[in-house]
Formats: sequence, C-alpha cells, structure tokens
Amino acid sequence: EVQLVESGGGLVKPGGSLRLSCAASGFTFSSYSMNWVRQAPGKGLEWVSSISSSSSYIYYADSVKGRFTISRDNAKNSLYLQMNSLRAEDTAVYYCARDLGSSGSRYFDLWGRGTLVTVSS
Amino acid sequence: SYVLTQPPSVSVAPGKTARITCGGNNIGSKSVHWYQQKPGQAPVLVIYYDSDRPSGIPERFSGSNSGNTATLTISRVEAGDEADYYCQVWDSSSDHLRVFGGGTKLTVL
Repeated sequence: EVQLVESGGGLVKPGGSLRLSCAASGFTFSSYSMNWVRQAPGKGLEWVSSISSSSSYIYYADSVKGRFTISRDNAKNSLYLQMNSLRAEDTAVYYCARDLGSSGSRYFDLWGRGTLVTVSS
Repeated sequence: SYVLTQPPSVSVAPGKTARITCGGNNIGSKSVHWYQQKPGQAPVLVIYYDSDRPSGIPERFSGSNSGNTATLTISRVEAGDEADYYCQVWDSSSDHLRVFGGGTKLTVL
C-alpha cells in the first residue's frame, strides 16, 4: 500500500527541539521530492519546507527559516524535520506530503495522517 | 509573497451546485490545485492543474481558472462533500513557495 506515516510529535517547551520522521512505503521514495505541511489548531494549511529527490534543492517558508532543517534518507525511505528554537506558534499537526508536478507547478498528491506538535510551558 | 483569497464559507443544498472561488493576482497564469479536508483527516487532492481530476475523484468535481479567479465546482452536492477546501499554487518566483489559500468551509444544508 502506498502510504506515508509520520512520527515524533509531542509536547515540548518553548525554545526546545523536536525531530519528526516520515516513513514512506509502497512507492519509489527516492524518485520524489517531499514536503512538510503544517496546520495549527482550527487554522488552515501552511507549507513548511520541501526537499528534492536527491536533497540537492531545499526550500523553507520564511516562518521557519533558520530554525527548521529538512532532510531525507533514501536508503531508509524516510523524511525528517529537525525543529529547533520552537515557539508557541509552531504548535500544529505536521503532515508529510509527496510532491508532484512539472517545472510549471507543483502539488501534493499523497499525504500522511500527521503528527501533533505542541509547544507549551 | 503571493496571496490566495478564499471565502471563509459556502453553503449549498443537497443536489445543487457549489462554487468555491480562489482569488489571486493574475492567477489565470498559474496552475491551481485543490484539496478537500474532512474533520480529523489529512487533506486529499481533488483537482490539479486547474481542472484535472486524480483517479478516484468523482466527475462531480471540476475546476476552472481565468483572470484573477480560480473556481472549484461541485455538482450534485452530497452530504459527504461537506469539508474544508483549499486552493494551492506554486510560486516559483518566490523561493519555490507552495502557497495555500485560507480555506473554505463547505456546508451542505
């Protein structure tokens, strides 16, 4: 079955760190760019970061630039998000999403169920 | 960065047609993608490249894009279509950002 499964969420204090993981299965993970998208409680979707298939191209939303680091291990079919200097406004469900499209546009064709990150003292 | 504007809510009676708009500066020059999200679930792609449907998405879902407005149209609305809907574009001019609209809550009366 084609799927993405996130893990690593939890409760962390402001200023703390957390590392999220996303395990991919059922498709050739190394052929796809991947993303993290988050959703604060009761709010809309916000793209966080993307990484190309070979990790050559990495992009971040301004809201997380300098604090979050996206990475992947194609041998382990896994995507990661290292989150440092966490703030209350980073509280959200974090989704792993597969990236598809051409040079003209990109979209998300496969999503995980998400993992909840709560930043609170 | 590029901004997408959606109405917060749209209401429609069962069997009727729902239209959800997504506004953006010259959005007609971009490709627009749409996602459906039901409570407690992950988003699901329902339209990509303005009007293409992924396999498994009913033909009742269609999309269009021109000028400053893209539209998701749901024909013969069913109770199961009640959800939040988000439009999304790729802003290649701005660090390859993927931009979402604020979302529209579709209520089936």
